[in-house]
This record gives sequence, C-alpha cells and structure tokens, in this order.
Amino acid sequence: TQLLEQSPQFLSIQEGENLTVYCNSSSVFSSLQWYRQEPGEGPVLLVTVVTGGEVKKLKRLTFQFGDARKDSSLHITAAQPGDTGLYLCAGAITNAGKSTFGDGTTLTVKP
Amino acid sequence: GAVVSQHPSWVICKSGTSVKIECRSLDFQATTMFWYRQFPKQSLMLMATSNEGSKATYEQGVEKDKFLINHASLTLSTLTVTSAHPEDSSFYICSAKVYSETQYFGPGTRLLVL
Repeated sequence: TQLLEQSPQFLSIQEGENLTVYCNSSSVFSSLQWYRQEPGEGPVLLVTVVTGGEVKKLKRLTFQFGDARKDSSLHITAAQPGDTGLYLCAGAITNAGKSTFGDGTTLTVKP
Repeated sequence: GAVVSQHPSWVICKSGTSVKIECRSLDFQATTMFWYRQFPKQSLMLMATSNEGSKATYEQGVEKDKFLINHASLTLSTLTVTSAHPEDSSFYICSAKVYSETQYFGPGTRLLVL
C-alpha cells in the first residue's frame, strides 16, 4: 500500500496553462516536502510545509498543506517549458523519521 | 548551503565486481544519510537509513550483504554494491539531513553493470 498517493502520474500541457498536482495520504505528516527532479540529476527541494493550512508561494508555484496535514497540492500558474520535470512529494510522520515519497508526477510543458 | 555531493557520477563495471559510491555533505554535518535507488520514470525507493557511527537500517527486501553501507563520519557515507550484476544497474541517490531538518539530495550515481 502506497502511503502517499500522488496524482496525476503524467501531465502534458501547453506553455501558459495552469496545473495542479496532488499528494494525498491517510496518515498525518509532521512535515511535507516538494521536490523537482530533472533526468540524470538528484531531486532539488522546492519547499517544506509543516503547519496545517499553510500556503507557500515560490514565484509561479503555490504549495498548500491540508488543514489535517494529510495532503498537499502544488499549483503552477502559466507553466513554462523550464517547469518540465518529475515532481515528487515526500512526507515524514515524525520529525526524526525517514520520508516516504509519492510516485511522482512527470510534467511536460510544450512550447 | 546544504550541498551534497556524490562520487562517481557514473560508473560502468563488469559483472561480479564491487563498486563503491561516496556521498558527502559539503557544508554541514549530517546526522542521518539515506540511500535510494531509482528506476527510469519512477519515484525514489529507499534502500537504507544510515546514522553516523552505527549500523545502517535496511528496508525490507534490500540485501544488506549485497549493499554495504558505511557511515564513518558526519560528512561521509559510502554504498558498496558487492558482486554487481546487470540487474543492479540503476540510478543511486543519497540524501543527508541534520536531525529533523529537511533532507538534501546528491546528484546521483548512474551504475551500469555489463
């Protein structure tokens, strides 16, 4: 059973469109991270959310942590080809514990 | 800050040989390091958790005698793939963190076993 369900798995859109990626679980997380990974490279941290209901913005990216700290979403406004990559959410149940990763969302933004 | 390096970035070896991959935290001391394996277009699969000075904790299904992990210092962990076979070919990624802080990833090592 996958602890973190990430959707959609694949997403192909045109430049300028908006999109939302979801990360859901039945478990409560002490923190949740979003990463972006390009082929042949390691994941790069985008954001960490720790407070239920928290919203963080990073330029065109908006991250939200659910009130119950069981789910999160990543919204990208006016997507650009440079946003193409694998987006991963990862949650830790305890502060000192290991993180569980979602299956990832492969985003392709066509020019 | 929070830079993690891996060496080598890629390696090709013959079946039956052993390969060592190094993971270093360059600007911080990592209390915990993780080793992941990733197949094409898939997410990261945790192999083991490594704490400095103690034995690594392996995930279910990961052979500890096959994948030897040593965490000799707060800035270095090594993964040795022993008697490598073609099915061990993969992208291996390490990460490091300090206590409850977010983990930071290395750039990965691509292993190809012929």
